Amino acid sequence: DTAVSQTPKYLVTQMGNDKSIKCEQNLGHDTMYWYKQDSKKFLKIMFSYNNKELIINETVPNRFSPKSPDKAHLNLHINSLELGDSAVYFCASSRGHQPQHFGDGTRLSIL
Amino acid sequence: KNEVEQSPQNLTAQEGEFITINCSYSVGISALHWLQQHPGGGIVSLFMLSSGKKKHGRLIATINIQEKHSSLHITASHPRDSAVYICAVSNSGGSNYKLTFGKGTLLTVNP
Repeated sequence: DTAVSQTPKYLVTQMGNDKSIKCEQNLGHDTMYWYKQDSKKFLKIMFSYNNKELIINETVPNRFSPKSPDKAHLNLHINSLELGDSAVYFCASSRGHQPQHFGDGTRLSIL
Repeated sequence: KNEVEQSPQNLTAQEGEFITINCSYSVGISALHWLQQHPGGGIVSLFMLSSGKKKHGRLIATINIQEKHSSLHITASHPRDSAVYICAVSNSGGSNYKLTFGKGTLLTVNP
């Protein structure tokens, strides 16, 4: 009974393609996040949505577009993929300022 | 300089040893988080604290707000404790609950 689920787990694609990563949480949380973990394992916030409203956009290229159709979903669409986009992307959710629950990550590899 | 600094970067211990990982931060925070990331990649929240000390099983987390410092202790370490431990801070300004992360401490516990 997964709390925060991301799909796909692995994504291998060519440079220049457009891809999406989906995230769903069944915890009833009101806030969802996308984080990027680079090759050195350093995590950094990308976006945060609270009640479907964009709260944080941390100087992410506008090729990245989050979409929150409802409070339980926060999807990440990436246009014109570049080599530097290779990373592990984590979705997370929380109830306000409570501890965040993380998905298992999506490993994106750009060829 | 990163807003959140952890030490050591790598730590190797023998089973049964007492382990301490340190975290210092340079910004105002509303809470400090300790997270665990296993080799498989999933991230789990261990503690969220804003003052004093918390204990969960063999794990203890402390924070000194005046000194902007936190420690994570593991008593009677076990090989299954081998993981990356990540310190993160959050600020509850408005509905901005983003986490700012340290670079992590890779802990290896040998049998």
